[in-house]
Amino acid sequence: QKEVEQNSGPLSVPEGAIASLNCTYSDRVSQSFFWYRQYSGKSPELIMSIYSNGDKEDGRFTAQLNKASQYVSLLIRDSQPSDSATYLCAAEGEYGNKLVFGAGTILRVKS
Amino acid sequence: GAVVSQHPSRVICKSGTSVKIECRSLDFQATTMFWYRQFPKQSLMLMATSNEGSKATYEQGVEKDKFLINHASLTLSTLTVTSAHPEDSSFYICSGKGSRWSRSYNEQFFGPGTRLTVL
Repeated sequence: QKEVEQNSGPLSVPEGAIASLNCTYSDRVSQSFFWYRQYSGKSPELIMSIYSNGDKEDGRFTAQLNKASQYVSLLIRDSQPSDSATYLCAAEGEYGNKLVFGAGTILRVKS
Repeated sequence: GAVVSQHPSRVICKSGTSVKIECRSLDFQATTMFWYRQFPKQSLMLMATSNEGSKATYEQGVEKDKFLINHASLTLSTLTVTSAHPEDSSFYICSGKGSRWSRSYNEQFFGPGTRLTVL
């Protein structure tokens, strides 16, 4: 099993809908998780970090962490065409410091 | 979030020349900086990790004599691609991570990237 796994997509949602992005992880990562957004040709931009079980909300974004099931998700409410990008799930490596990235999920929001 | 800058944003050079890329943390002290490379439609690939004042730790398969990294201060790291070849053409991105006492400790913030084209 890869350390961090994501469905590559693309995930297509209509404008205004909730986009749900999922990520699973193995025992070989630590308990710090991050969601990044990367537009084509640009560098990744940090959206959310989450370290504890449960939900963490920031504006239209909600990150969810379930340590028992080893998954992390990102919900985007009221999706906009400008949210169309690749979303990268990342976890700190087993020994800390380095990030381990999933392959990324392509999100397409259609107007 | 914290801000990381990179310079230059784009560089075109001739094969055999060396190129230096600067990465600066503008509003926080980055005790650790990371250098990544990304080819079109591929994932980020970590090249090396550098801690301020220490030698960089390179990932397996990355030539340390070709990709020279210097992290001389808490706000500046440089990557020098020596004797560049066309296969070194890529998108190079740095990131910084704050110290334990910084507001954004444990989070990595990425610079805007440098697109290198070697002719």
